[in-house]
Amino acid sequence: NAGVTQTPKFQVLKTGQSMTLQCAQDMNHEYMSWYRQDPGMGLRLIHYSVGAGITDQGEVPNGYNVSRSTTEDFPLRLLSAAPSQTSVYFCASSYKRFQPQHFGDGTRLSIL
Amino acid sequence: AQTVTQSQPEMSVQEAETVTLSCTYDTSESDYYLFWYKQPPSRQMILVIRQEAYKQQNATENRFSVNFQKAAKSFSLKISDSQLGDAAMYFCAYRRNAGGTSYGKLTFGQGTILTVHP
Repeated sequence: NAGVTQTPKFQVLKTGQSMTLQCAQDMNHEYMSWYRQDPGMGLRLIHYSVGAGITDQGEVPNGYNVSRSTTEDFPLRLLSAAPSQTSVYFCASSYKRFQPQHFGDGTRLSIL
Repeated sequence: AQTVTQSQPEMSVQEAETVTLSCTYDTSESDYYLFWYKQPPSRQMILVIRQEAYKQQNATENRFSVNFQKAAKSFSLKISDSQLGDAAMYFCAYRRNAGGTSYGKLTFGQGTILTVHP
């Protein structure tokens, strides 16, 4: 059972480039979320999804897009990378509303 | 909006001793969950313990226990018999249990770095 898998683990981008962070879970979880972790600020919610075809914005959605075409996958797209998006990104999922979230191992992203 | 505050950026403890990490939160909701997550240097986010707001009994998981004071909106984590493997960043988190699409959204505190001395 792989759990929540994030790829890549590390990435360096130039300002203005676009890329997609991948997140996949094999636990048939309905709820999936993306967080970013910055020093001194804890984790902040970027976007989330309560099921295939349904997404919504979190606290810090600007500069990011998501889609949920399948239950398993929830990719996060950076449209035009900016240095302020340098962070560690976590994907999380949970089966039902009352279940704890399972986190992936994170993606460390640096924007130069 | 809900907020979660961890006022201790860093804490340290001697191996085998007890340490308490503090967390306060602000919410107008009455039905919610509170969590403590551990993040070791490997960067994984590991659930340590959770508390349901409508349960008065404090949650315990082996050496980990919480002191949940609903009226004071306080949720501290006590680690007994501390071990070297407990060294990590600890995050307190809140999740409301209302209707609509808000389920699953966690609000995190800033984190507390715990150092365990041998």
